[in-house]
Amino acid sequence: AQKVTQAQTEISVVEKEDVTLDCVYETRDTTYYLFWYKQPPSGELVFLIRRNSFDEQNEISGRYSWNFQKSTSSFNFTITASQVVDSAVYFCALSEAGVRRLIKASGGSYIPTFGRGTSLIVHP
Amino acid sequence: DAMVIQNPRYQVTQFGKPVTLSCSQTLNHNVMYWYQQKSSQAPKLLFHYYDKDFNNEADTPDNFQSRRPNTSFCFLDIRSPGLGDAAMYLCATSSGQSYEQYFGPGTRLTVT
Repeated sequence: AQKVTQAQTEISVVEKEDVTLDCVYETRDTTYYLFWYKQPPSGELVFLIRRNSFDEQNEISGRYSWNFQKSTSSFNFTITASQVVDSAVYFCALSEAGVRRLIKASGGSYIPTFGRGTSLIVHP
Repeated sequence: DAMVIQNPRYQVTQFGKPVTLSCSQTLNHNVMYWYQQKSSQAPKLLFHYYDKDFNNEADTPDNFQSRRPNTSFCFLDIRSPGLGDAAMYLCATSSGQSYEQYFGPGTRLTVT
């Protein structure tokens, strides 16, 4: 069964500090997908990134970077020079290709497992 | 801009009074999902559709039902809301071949 652990319940930093959000996952599948979503106080979850299990390249997008390490089953997210607008709950999620729900012969849907989320508070 | 829209954003209903939440999408995605999210918790999947084919999660209460009359719209019906059903309800979409989900802004349901 797939499982996602975000051990950090809440992180509080001061603006301009760097912060890393941890995500550890468990899966028996060899093909899987990892995601990060941001949920600001308004409530809408915003997709940030998807990573495939066969692509361990780290990724950088502006102040955001992601470190994917299969050896430790981790997919950590770093925000550099944090800003107040980064304050949100961040969810890590995992979808296993092997448990794709095939409702129709022509396709199916992936059902992600979400971690419990990490609340990031950035103080001015 | 293509998007997922949920109406209303805030809904107040009385204990036991049926309520319907709506979701529409302009992304033309095959898959639509309904999630329930309570405070400080991860979203919990209630249902999802691949086109019109319906999939119910095993632990979704019978009090919850869903309809998807066409590709663009999906509804969540709560037949007899209880106090424990107060939550944020999130609608999401994904294409049948991709993996990430696109979420609407959510409907916050209050039960009085």
